[in-house]
Amino acid sequence: AQRVTQPEKLLSVFKGAPVELKCNYSYSGSPELFWYVQYSRQRLQLLLRHISRESIKGFTADLNKGETSFHLKKPFAQEEDSAMYYCALRGTYKYIFGTGTRLKVLA
Amino acid sequence: GAGVSQSPRYKVAKRGQDVALRCDPISGHVSLFWYQQALGQGPEFLTYFQNEAQLDKSGLPSDRFFAERPEGSVSTLKIQRTQQEDSAVYLCASSGRGGLGYEQYFGPGTRLTVT
Repeated sequence: AQRVTQPEKLLSVFKGAPVELKCNYSYSGSPELFWYVQYSRQRLQLLLRHISRESIKGFTADLNKGETSFHLKKPFAQEEDSAMYYCALRGTYKYIFGTGTRLKVLA
Repeated sequence: GAGVSQSPRYKVAKRGQDVALRCDPISGHVSLFWYQQALGQGPEFLTYFQNEAQLDKSGLPSDRFFAERPEGSVSTLKIQRTQQEDSAVYLCASSGRGGLGYEQYFGPGTRLTVT
């Protein structure tokens, strides 16, 4: 079965602390994974995708096929990073989203 | 340019009523997706269009749900005989190419409340 698991509903960190948002997936085949973000009162938007291997707003995510994980990391959290983060997996035609993790960065 | 727009933004329906939700994708976008997002959950895939062709409707929860995109641009999601469990935010997204490796642009959603 195709599934995306985000085990944490809420993650609170202090400004300047490292952040890791966890994502595990289940997929038979070669997965394509994404992180989407939704800031307060804004639309859901793409943050990054694993095939780009890029860093966006200081965030990176590495696909670990052995552990079937795609954790999102940032070395120093900023207050403006507070948002809802969704990990997503692309199937044949559909995207499968996790339940999301709310990140709160405390001053 | 304008992003994806959805209307209405809010809809209250009495149980048993039919509703129609509209999505205007970004002009020229080939792919269009509908998602259902219940409170506290992530978006759940409903259906996918490539131009006017509905290539995947496996996520539609029942035969009360129907989606169309007759001219390959605007899409309508119709829910017949609404039930309380249909209460959710319905999201539309479009992307620029037929393949799925391209960024999806999401609309603001339509919040449906069934009373």
